[in-house]
Amino acid sequence: GQNIDQPTEMTATEGAIVQINCTYQTSGFNGLFWYQQHAGEAPTFLSYNVLDGLEEKGRFSSFLSRSKGYSYLLLKELQMKDSASYLCAYMDSNYQLIWGAGTKLIIKP
Amino acid sequence: DADVTQTPRNRITKTGKRIMLECSQTKGHDRMYWYRQDPGLGLRLIYYSFDVKDINKGEISDGYSVSRQAQAKFSLSLESAIPNQTALYFCATSDLSSGDTNTGELFFGEGSRLTVL
Repeated sequence: GQNIDQPTEMTATEGAIVQINCTYQTSGFNGLFWYQQHAGEAPTFLSYNVLDGLEEKGRFSSFLSRSKGYSYLLLKELQMKDSASYLCAYMDSNYQLIWGAGTKLIIKP
Repeated sequence: DADVTQTPRNRITKTGKRIMLECSQTKGHDRMYWYRQDPGLGLRLIYYSFDVKDINKGEISDGYSVSRQAQAKFSLSLESAIPNQTALYFCATSDLSSGDTNTGELFFGEGSRLTVL
């Protein structure tokens, strides 16, 4: 199977903060992507990290540690519309995206 | 109108039938991809194309073929559909070109849900 891993499902409360982790193993790396996918719809781009550190974009932030093969997506001030699957993918040495299976995020009132 | 358009959006067919899924894009991207998505497995690459004369197999190309008729069009065919090809299929384009600074972000079509009975 693919050497990228993320939790299958997470639950959080409206207004709270949630962190979705993603770990990967690869010899060639050209960036880490996060996508959001609502049920039955196409994935939409959220973030891209190629250097270590935190990238903040509104309520969403993404972090990367290349040495640890680790990324997380942080969602603040959760809203019901944030209920979706969150897909982690790294770009390998051939510039192909290797996808995790996705994390289904359930938001409760 | 969507930048990446897939047809049909939904299709139910029978085992052994030939099926074609079509994808067209107005983004002007050279790179186009076909993925399938199954519950719990994530997106898996079927075929990809970097330009009109370039076709490459992905990790699950068996049972599928593709045609890149023009920069804007990339079609996926199932020559003889079988039930385990029931899935959600996505076409995508990429702005990545060699030597430039684009990230390689993928732009997806809305998906084609295929059911093979």
